[in-house]
Amino acid sequence: AQRVTQPEKLLSVFKGAPVELKCNYSYSGSPELFWYVQYSRQRLQLLLRHISRESIKGFTADLNKGETSFHLKKPFAQEEDSAMYYCAQGTYGQNFVFGPGTRLSVLP
Amino acid sequence: NAGVTQTPKFQVLKTGQSMTLQCAQDMNHNSMYWYRQDPGMGLRLIYYSASEGTTDKGEVPNGYNVSRLNKREFSLRLESAAPSQTSVYFCASSVLGANTGELFFGEGSRLTVL
Repeated sequence: AQRVTQPEKLLSVFKGAPVELKCNYSYSGSPELFWYVQYSRQRLQLLLRHISRESIKGFTADLNKGETSFHLKKPFAQEEDSAMYYCAQGTYGQNFVFGPGTRLSVLP
Repeated sequence: NAGVTQTPKFQVLKTGQSMTLQCAQDMNHNSMYWYRQDPGMGLRLIYYSASEGTTDKGEVPNGYNVSRLNKREFSLRLESAAPSQTSVYFCASSVLGANTGELFFGEGSRLTVL
């Protein structure tokens, strides 16, 4: 079965520090990988997807097939980045699988 | 456009009571989903509807039923609520299957079963 793991339940960093949210997936083929974010009192929304190779709000994520990872990175964290982050995997013919989520807290 | 709208936002039930969560989307999406969100568990798929007229079980379907009423609406019913169904429920939709595109979520419905 597909599985997405996010080892950190909570990650606290100071404003301006680099941040890396870890994500590992189990599928051995070529999955579609996504990061979703849920800010306080807002609905879940797509942050970025690996296929578009874009940077959203300063965040980037690189797919590493050898390590089956899709870590989310930002060089300088901002207080407004505090949110719940979910890594998700989509595989053709199957449904999305979400990781358990990591709560990012950016301290002033 | 309202996107994905779900009601009610909050509900408290007693064990054994029934209720229906309603979801509607105005984006002409084919696929719709119901997830539950529990601390430390992430989002788990309860049921989904790949297209109008079809529904399929997800990861945690026990205790739930769904109806894809038309292309816009996808309801989730708890026939006999149990405390283990206390959770936040999210409806979502996508243009095609979820793995091929972006999921659009509703604001969530917080359900407490006493």
